[in-house]
Amino acid sequence: AQTVTQSQPEMSVQEAETVTLSCTYDTSENNYYLFWYKQPPSRQMILVIRQEAYKQQNATENRFSVNFQKAAKSFSLKISDSQLGDTAMYFCALVNSGNTPLVFGKGTRLSVIA
Amino acid sequence: EAGVAQSPRYKIIEKRQSVAFWCNPISGHATLYWYQQILGQGPKLLIQFQNNGVVDDSQLPKDRFSAERLKGVDSTLKIQPAKLEDSAVYLCATQPPGYEQYFGPGTRLTVT
Repeated sequence: AQTVTQSQPEMSVQEAETVTLSCTYDTSENNYYLFWYKQPPSRQMILVIRQEAYKQQNATENRFSVNFQKAAKSFSLKISDSQLGDTAMYFCALVNSGNTPLVFGKGTRLSVIA
Repeated sequence: EAGVAQSPRYKIIEKRQSVAFWCNPISGHATLYWYQQILGQGPKLLIQFQNNGVVDDSQLPKDRFSAERLKGVDSTLKIQPAKLEDSAVYLCATQPPGYEQYFGPGTRLTVT
């Protein structure tokens, strides 16, 4: 069975600073995909960034980047130049292959402080 | 492209009552998921459809929950009778071939 663990229930960061959210996972598959989703109070689940396990290069999307350590089964999210609009719940998620359900962590509540 | 639509956005019912949620997927997305997200937790799969067939309903409490996807398009999720522990956000997600899922805005259910 696949598991995703987020060990930081809550974090805060000053506006314009950098913050890193942690995620570890477990799967017996060699090919899988990892995601970070943002969920603001509106409850809409928004995809922030994705990483294919077969790719060694860490994914980046503007201010968001990941540190993917396959051997350690670690997948952290770095948010640079934090903005007030980044305040939300952040979920790490894993899927083993196409057309299978996502397995989510419990989430990290991020607060960006002005 | 229109996103995944869900209704209602909010629902408050008393325990033992019934409730139904509706999901309209993105056109052409064959795979549809219902997730349950209890407060303070990540979403967990309830049921997965491929077109109008059930792929995985192993986590669906079948004594009270039911779901269908007629004609492989819209889907409904029903709870009858509701319990207090069913209070949660119910998320619908749809998926084209591949691995990326697209989520609807969710329905927040409160059972009193």
